[in-house]
Amino acid sequence: DIQMTQSPSSLSASVGDRVTITCRASQSISGYLNWYQHKPGKAPKLLIYLASTLQTGVPSRFSGSGSGTDFTLTISSLQPEDFATYYCQQGYNSRAFGQGTKVEIK
Amino acid sequence: ELQLVESGGGLVHPGGSLRLSCAASGFTFSDFSANWVRQSPGKGLEWVSYMISGSDTIYYADSVKGRFTISRDNAQNSLYLQMNSLSDEDTALYYCAREGTPHALDIWGQGTMVTVSS
Repeated sequence: DIQMTQSPSSLSASVGDRVTITCRASQSISGYLNWYQHKPGKAPKLLIYLASTLQTGVPSRFSGSGSGTDFTLTISSLQPEDFATYYCQQGYNSRAFGQGTKVEIK
Repeated sequence: ELQLVESGGGLVHPGGSLRLSCAASGFTFSDFSANWVRQSPGKGLEWVSYMISGSDTIYYADSVKGRFTISRDNAQNSLYLQMNSLSDEDTALYYCAREGTPHALDIWGQGTMVTVSS
């Protein structure tokens, strides 16, 4: 099975900061990597699919990159509504999520 | 409105069984693959199971393989998860999710809570 590892597990940042979260797959998953935002009490929300394609309605401050085993989610200028937990997920072989990255207010 | 609504959660004793349902509306359910994903209290999202639209491809997480069975009834626009031999480690909020974009979960329900406790 493919394992997904995110780093960091948590981070503290201020509004306006640039935030980067990384995700590594235990083997190549080509470009089948997705990113989700999850807030308490809400359903997870798809942000980016196929590593770099922004889901409809998602602000352009979110971007994704990478291929093979290493991927990155970047928030160019953190907004108050962006404080949440972010997950990567591979869709190449079966399915699996990373362990999550909690973005907290500094 | 595109919607998924889960039901069937509740309190069950260790070793017991439960069947979850997920009702789809606002789209042609038979056109899409679907997944079950869970979140245990204080933990992250854990993918549980996947079924392709035509039901001929199914995947399970190792943690539930042999105990859980995914199924669907496209005529009823519904997805199911039969859970047997439940343990306290299965206590979680269970979500169903549609794969609308390539291999990505684009529509999610609000979840149904399963609590395994004696």
